[in-house]
Amino acid sequence: NAGVTQTPKFRVLKTGQSMTLLCAQDMNHEYMYWYRQDPGMGLRLIHYSVGEGTTAKGEVPDGYNVSRLKKQNFLLGLESAAPSQTSVYFCASSEPRYRSGTSYEQYFGPGTRLTVT
Amino acid sequence: LAKTTQPISMDSYEGQEVNITCSHNNIATNDYITWYQQFPSQGPRFIIQGYKTKVTNEVASLFIPADRKSSTLSLPRVSLSDTAVYYCLVSSTSGTYKYIFGTGTRLKVLA
Repeated sequence: NAGVTQTPKFRVLKTGQSMTLLCAQDMNHEYMYWYRQDPGMGLRLIHYSVGEGTTAKGEVPDGYNVSRLKKQNFLLGLESAAPSQTSVYFCASSEPRYRSGTSYEQYFGPGTRLTVT
Repeated sequence: LAKTTQPISMDSYEGQEVNITCSHNNIATNDYITWYQQFPSQGPRFIIQGYKTKVTNEVASLFIPADRKSSTLSLPRVSLSDTAVYYCLVSSTSGTYKYIFGTGTRLKVLA
């Protein structure tokens, strides 16, 4: 099992450029998440999905779009990158609590380091 | 919106017990508390999760008082390899979905 993988690992964009980050999981998890991590601010939820074809906004969704066309994939798009989007992006997946029992954990990918100049 | 507050950093020596407390004053009835460990250049890794009282697994214990406004992660007999950043997470999947991470506590274990 590869678990949760993210593509690419690093990327440098110019302001105004667009890109898509790909997250893939092989654990057949129902839920998937995108977070950003900035120094001193912990992880903040951008968007999440509770199933194939569904997405919802998290704490900091502005400037990002997502799609979950296949259960195993969750894509994060930046339509017009801004320097404020320089961050490390983490994808995660989990089972819903009703299916996983007494506790449920999120499995995180290795992260994508994005720099916008 | 719930906020979670943690100490920025802690130092400990090998073999000691370490307790890291997270404050979540606005925790809601359906919220769970989870702790994660993160090493540099890696994603966070699950440690333990609880709702109330005490939970113990093979690596840690989690203490949650009756009012649930705080939680304490206890790491017994830490080693150098426990040097990492520890995050608490308040989350709910009932009604409005919520995932609020704390800002993290950087634990340094000294020889």
